[in-house]
Amino acid sequence: QIHLVESGGGVVHPGRSLRLSCAASGFTFSSYAIHWVRQAPGKGLEWVALISYDGSYKSYADSVKGRFTISRDNSKNTLSLQMNSLRAEDTAVYYCARGRTTGIYGSDYFDYWGQGTLVTVSS
Amino acid sequence: EIVLTQSPGTLSLSPGERATLSCRASQSVSSSYLAWYQQKPGQAPRLLIYGASSRATGIPDRFGGSGSGTDFTLTIRRLEPEDFAVYYCQQYGSSLVTFGEGTKVEIK
Repeated sequence: QIHLVESGGGVVHPGRSLRLSCAASGFTFSSYAIHWVRQAPGKGLEWVALISYDGSYKSYADSVKGRFTISRDNSKNTLSLQMNSLRAEDTAVYYCARGRTTGIYGSDYFDYWGQGTLVTVSS
Repeated sequence: EIVLTQSPGTLSLSPGERATLSCRASQSVSSSYLAWYQQKPGQAPRLLIYGASSRATGIPDRFGGSGSGTDFTLTIRRLEPEDFAVYYCQQYGSSLVTFGEGTKVEIK
């Protein structure tokens, strides 16, 4: 059974950092791109970042570019999102999601999602 | 960036009725790379439809997707109590994927 489990959320002051993790099981992790998608309270879904199956390609939403860094460890079946210089508008539930690709980097739909981890940026 | 506009914002229906949800793109979606997700309160989104019309694994056949180009539709043939939720469309025809703002299907 495929599982994605996020962790690392919490309350953080503006300008500080936080690192999220996503642990995967039940599939060949090293064969799939993985994405982060977030959802602000009461709002819709926003794509945040992706990393290719082998870590060679990374892409970010403009809203987080230069502040967030995505990485993966295929030997441990884990994904990370390092979030620096956090802002109030980064407050959201962060989901990791498995990408199903069309063959073009980034052009994915998401067939499995984790349960999400809440990040609250507040003073 | 392709902007997706979903309508209506809220759909009030009774169990057993048919639901028709619309997703309109600001430009043509390549190869009908359009997905639909269902999200219930406190839960992660669940994939329903990909490629505009292909049902994901385990999705009942009362859910159907159609459309191409800029206009796409999700149809729920006969609403079951568990179908009342928020539905999002997502395009993945470009390397910058985007989501619609969602349609809430609520019990009338």
